[in-house]
Amino acid sequence: AQSVTQLGSHVSVSEGALVLLRCNYSSSVPPYLFWYVQYPNQGLQLLLKYTTGATLVKGINGFEAEFKKSETSFHLTKPSAHMSDAAEYFCAVSASGGSYIPTFGRGTSLIVHP
Amino acid sequence: DGGITQSPKYLFRKEGQNVTLSCEQNLNHDAMYWYRQDPGQGLRLIYYSQIVNDFQKGDIAEGYSVSREKKESFPLTVTSAQKNPTAFYLCASSIGPGTPLQQFFGPGTRLTVL
Repeated sequence: AQSVTQLGSHVSVSEGALVLLRCNYSSSVPPYLFWYVQYPNQGLQLLLKYTTGATLVKGINGFEAEFKKSETSFHLTKPSAHMSDAAEYFCAVSASGGSYIPTFGRGTSLIVHP
Repeated sequence: DGGITQSPKYLFRKEGQNVTLSCEQNLNHDAMYWYRQDPGQGLRLIYYSQIVNDFQKGDIAEGYSVSREKKESFPLTVTSAQKNPTAFYLCASSIGPGTPLQQFFGPGTRLTVL
């Protein structure tokens, strides 16, 4: 079985501050990990993904995430928040044990203050 | 442009009525999915289809039905048996079964039961 835990349903930062959104996963086989962003009343858009290879993954809009197997984590970061980053962020895991059907976390709402 | 379309954007239903949500993709993807999104609960899988004329129940299939007669289309029917159907519904697709690649999402349909 696979699962995802996103710590913090809401994260609030000031514009220009570091963004850190936490994601921990559970998987009995090597996982594939994803971060998606959702703006209000819209579908999800892929930010970045880890499949194999380099553990530091860079995505769109200046976001990046690092796969840490020992910590079973895939935290999302951005050095400097922008007002346009305010959205809901979802971490997802898929693996061969689950036929690669993704399991999503509950989401973290990022609030950016001016 | 390739992508996924969902219609309608907003849908209102009286209790006891069945309604069908449309999902069409022109990405030539084999796999398609339906998710339900409620505040604070992330995305929950309703049904998925990995090939035409075949589909599988997800985690919350009760009260829903689907069909997959064409590769491009995966409509979802919310039946009167679904006790709490008010939610945001998302359709997604991916290249094929058994692959760890990302999903592509439609813009969603918001269903409200009056």
